[in-house]
Amino acid sequence: DQQVKQNSPSLSVQEGRISILNCDYTNSMFDYFLWYKKYPAEGPTFLISISSIKDKNEDGRFTVFLNKSAKHLSLHIVPSQPGDSAVYFCAASGAGNQFYFGTGTSLTVIP
Amino acid sequence: GAGVSQTPSNKVTEKGKYVELRCDPISGHTALYWYRQSLGQGPEFLIYFQGTGAADDSGLPNDRFFAVRPEGSVSTLKIQRTERGDSAVYLCASRSGTTCSYNEQFFGPGTRLTVL
Repeated sequence: DQQVKQNSPSLSVQEGRISILNCDYTNSMFDYFLWYKKYPAEGPTFLISISSIKDKNEDGRFTVFLNKSAKHLSLHIVPSQPGDSAVYFCAASGAGNQFYFGTGTSLTVIP
Repeated sequence: GAGVSQTPSNKVTEKGKYVELRCDPISGHTALYWYRQSLGQGPEFLIYFQGTGAADDSGLPNDRFFAVRPEGSVSTLKIQRTERGDSAVYLCASRSGTTCSYNEQFFGPGTRLTVL
């Protein structure tokens, strides 16, 4: 039972344009959300997070939006750069210490 | 400083054999997680340690899987009687802090296990 879903397995974007990666979750008890970036043969690296008390968190080119009523979050990257090409995982956590990950979206930024 | 390290990076074994996968967390991190990532999937939670104790082992798929962290630092994931379905990348992550989940996990590069 997948509690965190990333329905787009891949995304291609032109360099300089905006990349929007989407994530949906089913558990209303989740209160902390994270995005991780993963290059081949490496472990995921933390990118940005948001707690459920906020609806937006921005860090440089990266912004995460949270819509609690829709149980949806998105990661915006603007402007996109070729070095952003990687697999992006959405993750969520609730009262416990388990983190639930989505299946990932492979982003390709075309120069 | 040094990040999370995992050894070996690759492990090939035969069905029915026993394997041990090692994780060296970031020094001082009290929380340690093991995940399994199958092809095309996201990391799947296996077990969480707070210090030396397994605070949550609900993700271990069956009793062939066991993990220890005897001194609150290095952890070993042990898989008995391996099956072909155990083939995956096993990721370890560590985190500072205690019970609060509101800080990031740092992942190691993973161990790719292949069971023939």
